Amino acid sequence: GIQVEQSPPDLILQEGANSTLRCNFSDSVNNLQWFHQNPWGQLINLFYIPSGTKQNGRLSATTVATERYSLLYISSSQTTDSGVYFCAVEPRDSGGSNYKLTFGKGTLLTVNP
Amino acid sequence: DTGVSQNPRHKITKRGQNVTFRCDPISEHNRLYWYRQTLGQGPEFLTYFQNEAQLEKSRLLSDRFSAERPKGSFSTLEIQRTEQGDSAMYLCASSLAYTSVTDTQYFGPGTRLTVL
Repeated sequence: GIQVEQSPPDLILQEGANSTLRCNFSDSVNNLQWFHQNPWGQLINLFYIPSGTKQNGRLSATTVATERYSLLYISSSQTTDSGVYFCAVEPRDSGGSNYKLTFGKGTLLTVNP
Repeated sequence: DTGVSQNPRHKITKRGQNVTFRCDPISEHNRLYWYRQTLGQGPEFLTYFQNEAQLEKSRLLSDRFSAERPKGSFSTLEIQRTEQGDSAMYLCASSLAYTSVTDTQYFGPGTRLTVL
């Protein structure tokens, strides 16, 4: 099946710093989503971005589908940005119509005051 | 739109007992998914419904697991004869999509299962 690798696995920042999280995937995709998992376990949608660039406030994301990677940018980080960030993909050739997401292992972000 | 809801949020049970979780998707969403997440890992796909039809089950879903989505609305996930290895967060997601068009999956808060 499709492989999803996220880097770095852990990231510690001071409040106000910028960061870039990376997601590499091994095959063409129909769907790519970025999530933030809060300390209570809730997965919060950040972006639906199978290709192109999107921005939402201090967050932006870029997916280069032809090169099979996506980047999540966090600017002026805040302590509330702490948590695990997941990239998840649905392979283009899913062998049917299941539309399931395959997740990476995530990046644990800690923003210190 | 109240989002995806799951009940209970936490469940502690003894090994060998049966448990059932419920998921209420966003209204009118036709697709519903169950995932399982263990500590330090990303969620893993368990099963998927298109309306009331269960279209795929992962090999992770042993015969002790069963899922239903009667009338294409809420869904239940039952685990029979629970084992300690079943301890995990069980996540439900839903999406609205047509034919082959894929769409954003929205996740519920999860049910955290602890098997003693």
